[in-house]
Amino acid sequence: GESVGLHLPTLSVQEGDNSIINCAYSNSASDYFIWYKQESGKGPQFIIDIRSNMDKRQGQRVTVLLNKTVKHLSLQIAATQPGDSAVYFCAVQYSGNTPLVFGKGTRLSVIA
Amino acid sequence: GAVVSQHPSWVICKSGTSVKIECRSLDFQATTMFWYRQFPKQSLMLMATSNEGSKATYEQGVEKDKFLINHASLTLSTLTVTSAHPEDSSFYICSAPWGGWGTEAFFGQGTRLTVV
Repeated sequence: GESVGLHLPTLSVQEGDNSIINCAYSNSASDYFIWYKQESGKGPQFIIDIRSNMDKRQGQRVTVLLNKTVKHLSLQIAATQPGDSAVYFCAVQYSGNTPLVFGKGTRLSVIA
Repeated sequence: GAVVSQHPSWVICKSGTSVKIECRSLDFQATTMFWYRQFPKQSLMLMATSNEGSKATYEQGVEKDKFLINHASLTLSTLTVTSAHPEDSSFYICSAPWGGWGTEAFFGQGTRLTVV
């Protein structure tokens, strides 16, 4: 099966600084990885995804890095803003007809 | 992007009653939808996979007779919590991959169920 963990349960950063949220997964055959942002009382919001044939993907202010050798995934948020404060989850899908497995989540707090 | 709409956003019911939660894909067809449950300060736990036109697949430990899932059309899946008890109080969230397996899954807004 698949298990996913987050390295840090909480992360506090100064506004304007860069944030890095990490995630480890266990199944080396995992094929698809997604980062979600969840604000209080709302459903998860898609941020960025990456497939196993890539090691980096960039979006607007966000970058996802995938290191398959050590089974590690990270989300980098540039110039963190107060609106980025939320819980961030990584989700992993094993190759094939399997649903996403979510990590425990990291709460990001942005200090103004 | 694709939109998944969930209704209601919150509901309070008495113990022993049943509650139905709807999950709709608004601008795409979803042959598969997923139902998750999330307790406070915890991650999302998959409850079941809803398959259009066939029976749902339940995760281990989830009672299929208590959490009834119906996926009668390509845009609608429903979760009915039957004979609800206070321990069923939770945040229920549905999702649907827009392009089938392996594509980004869009989530509904979630339903806060409180059983009193």
